[in-house]
Parts: sequence; C-alpha cells; structure tokens
Amino acid sequence: GENVEQHPSTLSVQEGDSAVIKCTYSDSASNYFPWYKQELGKRPQLIIDIRSNVGEKKDQRIAVTLNKTAKHFSLHITETQPEDSAVYFCAASSYGQNFVFGPGTRLSVLP
Amino acid sequence: DAGVTQSPTHLIKTRGQQVTLRCSPKSGHDTVSWYQQALGQGPQFIFQYYEEEERQRGNFPDRFSGHQFPNYSSELNVNALLLGDSALYLCASSQPGPPLVGEKLFFGSGTQLSVL
Repeated sequence: GENVEQHPSTLSVQEGDSAVIKCTYSDSASNYFPWYKQELGKRPQLIIDIRSNVGEKKDQRIAVTLNKTAKHFSLHITETQPEDSAVYFCAASSYGQNFVFGPGTRLSVLP
Repeated sequence: DAGVTQSPTHLIKTRGQQVTLRCSPKSGHDTVSWYQQALGQGPQFIFQYYEEEERQRGNFPDRFSGHQFPNYSSELNVNALLLGDSALYLCASSQPGPPLVGEKLFFGSGTQLSVL
C-alpha cells in the first residue's frame, strides 16, 4: 500500500522568510496530492492540491511542486506570516480513493 | 451553508465500552469518510461510505463499523474500546464530480474520544 513520508517534522522560520515542506510517496498509482493546514484545536483545511499531470501550481503565497519520477512533492510558502503557524499535512490519493496522510510538519513563524 | 458537522465534540468512555460518533456531510456531498488522528500524527483512513455502503476500508479491525443513512449522514461505531482507541475522530465529506472536485475532502472539527 501507499506510504507517505514528510519532512521536517518541525520547522521554525522568521516572519517574511520562506518555508518548504517535503513529502515522498511510494505508490506510482497515486495521482492526487493535497495539502492540509490544521491549526491548534481546529479541523484540517485544504490549502492547495495538485494532480499528477501538473508539475507546479501556485495560489498567492503558496505553491506546490510535484516530481512524479522521483515520487516527491513539496509545499512552498513565501513571505510567511504569524497566521501561517500551524501543522501542515501532505497526502496522496488515487482518484480520490485511498487517502494516505503524512505525519505532519509543525510550522512556527517567529515575529 | 453548514460545513461538515460532528457530534459529540468530546466523549469519555471506559475500556470495553461501545461508542457511536455522528457526522453530517457538507450540503451537496454524498460521500463520507472517517479518519482516526492520534496525538501528533496525521489522519489515518478508517473507511468510506457512498450510497449507504462501505466502499473502502483502511487497516482497522472489525471493532470499527459504520453506517450511512439515506440523507448521507453517517455514524462510526467502535466496540470493545481499548486504551489505544483514544484519538480525535474526523469525518470528511466529498462530492461527486470530475477530478479536482470530487477528490476534495472537507473535514469536520472532530470528536475527541478518551478511553480510560
């Protein structure tokens, strides 16, 4: 079955700096890769997603890149703000089935 | 438009008891999935319901069972509770549709289950 690894487990950046979180997956059948943000005590919320036929997708300060050959994808957050502090989860899925989540990255944006 | 709603928000049970958690999907969504999130970990897939049937199941024992009703709401039942079942149980709904629509999961706020 699918296995998703995520690094780093914790990440601290200064406000205004960029943050990068990386994930790898094992199942070449996976074709949908969402990223979720979970603030303390709140529900996970989808922030960006990408399909396997696309190499990069950007939404304002957030971007995701996918390397299908190497089976890894990354979340890039530019110009970080204190409200970006949260736990971020990557996930891999095949056609909306069999979602497997990474263990999460706790991002702290320091003022 | 109400999002995904779950009840109760918190629950305390003792080992060996049984528990039922409830979920109402986002309006327009017909598929409900359940996830277990242990402290400090990512959500783990339990099962998915579509058209009142279990369509997929993760690596969870038969003590975990579910149901989906005609109005698309769902229940998660856990029998013979173990200490290790203590976790946040998340419900997620999704809608039918083309890629990048039907795949998007919308999560509820979860039920925090503590087994003593």
